[in-house]
Amino acid sequence: KAGVTQTPRYLIKTRGQQVTLSCSPISGHRSVSWYQQTPGQGLQFLFEYFSETQRNKGNFPGRFSGRQFSNSRSEMNVSTLELGDSALYLCASSLEQYSYNEQFFGPGTRLTVL
Amino acid sequence: GEDVEQSLFLSVREGDSSVINCTYTDSSSTYLYWYKQEPGAGLQLLTYIFSNMDMKQDQRLTVLLNKKDKHLSLRIADTQTGDSAIYFCAETSNSGGYQKVTFGTGTKLQVIP
Repeated sequence: KAGVTQTPRYLIKTRGQQVTLSCSPISGHRSVSWYQQTPGQGLQFLFEYFSETQRNKGNFPGRFSGRQFSNSRSEMNVSTLELGDSALYLCASSLEQYSYNEQFFGPGTRLTVL
Repeated sequence: GEDVEQSLFLSVREGDSSVINCTYTDSSSTYLYWYKQEPGAGLQLLTYIFSNMDMKQDQRLTVLLNKKDKHLSLRIADTQTGDSAIYFCAETSNSGGYQKVTFGTGTKLQVIP
């Protein structure tokens, strides 16, 4: 069974641009969660999608948004990029919502904002 | 706000036991977790404990939870060089209809051969 895949693995953008990251969950998993990891702020929970609806969210500004498709694949969008958005963005999938004790993580997308 | 704190660094010799500690402030935690992150890789959930448990053992891993002191620890028995990684503790708690997820700062474990 294939693991969680994230594309692209690396991305370079400039301030003010917007970016879309993609996450394909493990087959059969219906929940996708997104996390941001930076040296300064550490690991922070962004949001969770289940059955195409956002079910949980962390404390991030509205520039960070996401969506989930009927095949459970999820995308995360960041608009008006800032230097501080440079981070490793991780997604994780699980069978059900709020199942943080059964999550499997992808390798991450490294975003650099110049 | 709620914080989860960990020491930054731990160095142990191969074959010894490692104990990684974590303190948290949120008294309404539901689950507490330990994750492992190897260089250049994503997170791997190692184990978790429900907040009404004191201890959980899973092969070489032992999790101890002291709810009174809000202290969580991860003991790795017979530590191997492959255990070298950054270890994060995390907690979930109910917050305004959401499940709040908070991570610790991470502890870098160095295993000396």
